[in-house]
Parts: sequence; C-alpha cells; structure tokens
Amino acid sequence: QQQVKQSPQSLIVQKGGISIINCAYENTAFDYFPWYQQFPGKGPALLIAIRPDVSEKKEGRFTISFNKSAKQFSLHIMDSQPGDSATYFCAASPNSGGSNYKLTFGKGTLLTVNP
Amino acid sequence: DAGITQSPRYKITETGRQVTLMCHQTWSHSYMFWYRQDLGHGLRLIYYSAAADITDKGEVPDGYVVSRSKTENFPLTLESATRSQTSVYFCASSETSLSYEQYFGPGTRLTVT
Repeated sequence: QQQVKQSPQSLIVQKGGISIINCAYENTAFDYFPWYQQFPGKGPALLIAIRPDVSEKKEGRFTISFNKSAKQFSLHIMDSQPGDSATYFCAASPNSGGSNYKLTFGKGTLLTVNP
Repeated sequence: DAGITQSPRYKITETGRQVTLMCHQTWSHSYMFWYRQDLGHGLRLIYYSAAADITDKGEVPDGYVVSRSKTENFPLTLESATRSQTSVYFCASSETSLSYEQYFGPGTRLTVT
C-alpha cells in the first residue's frame, strides 16, 4: 500500500517558470511533511519541511502548501532555475506509535528546468 | 571528514554471494536507516535502528540483515544476493532530539549478476 502518492513523475519547466509537485497521503497519523532534493549521483538532502499546524511555509523560492482536510501538500518552486534540475521526493512521518522519525517517501519527481 | 560515509560506492557481485554494505557516521546520531532506491519505487526503508543494539524492520526487509554494535556504524548484509536486490542503497542518520531531518550518505550502487 502506497501511503504517499506523488505526481507528476516528471516535469519540464522553462527557466523563470513555476514548478509544482503534488503529494497526497492516507495516514492521518502523519504530522511531519518534508521535501527532499536529490541531484544525480548524490544522496537526498532536506529542502524544506512543514507540520500540519500551518498551511504554508516559504523558504526563498521554495514554498510548501498544506491542505490538512484534503490530506494533500505541494511544493512550489518560483522562478525555477536550471540548477533546480533534480529529483524531488515528498515524504511523511507519523507522530506516535513507536514509528516516530520513520519517513515514508513518495516515488519522486524528476524536474528539468530548461535554460 | 565529519558526516556520513558509505562503502563501497560501487559493487558487483554474483547471485548467491553474501555482501555487506558499510555505513559510518561521525555525528553520534541515535537513529540510522537503510533505504533502497529503484526507478519507479522511490526510496523504500529496509531497516532502521533507534540506538546501538536496537534495530527494526522497515517496508522491504526480506533478504537483508543488519546489526548495530556501535552507535556510529550500521552495516547492511545481503545474506544470499539475488538479482532483484540490484539497486542503489542509501544509509541515513538522524538526531531525533533536535529534528526529524535525515542526513543521507552518497549511496552504494550494487549490481547482482
């Protein structure tokens, strides 16, 4: 059972455009929602994260929007740059039950930003 | 250098062989994790450890064994490698008293022939 569904699988955006990646989850026990960025040949690295007590979090050009009632969250990359070309993973972690800190990842989105 | 390292970075082995992937972190993080990354599947958790001598299964543990006798090391062993275990393996660590953030190693690309 896939607990975090991510879309699209791949995305091509022109430089300066907005990249939008969406994720949906099923487990209402999830209470931490990070996004990881992975460049080719590297391990994933935390980009930005949100908890369900806020609906939006912004860090520079990266914004997470969170809709608790719909159980959806999304990553928006404003003014996308070629250097943003990477694979992006959404993830979620529960808050109790001995499973704290275990991340369930989406399948990833390959973002290509054309110059 | 401080951080999280994995060895080897690349490994080719034959079906049925035992192979061990090493993971070492210098932060004294309590939590450590092993993931495999496959096209179309994203990152899937194999095993994790909350502290030395405490390990637990993740989503895809079959065919893998872990141990953690020291806080800084978390080796992953494939007891009898199969072609379906061809993958990129990532180790990660986390200091959960500070945050949920997981720090990933550079990965090991394993090919089973």
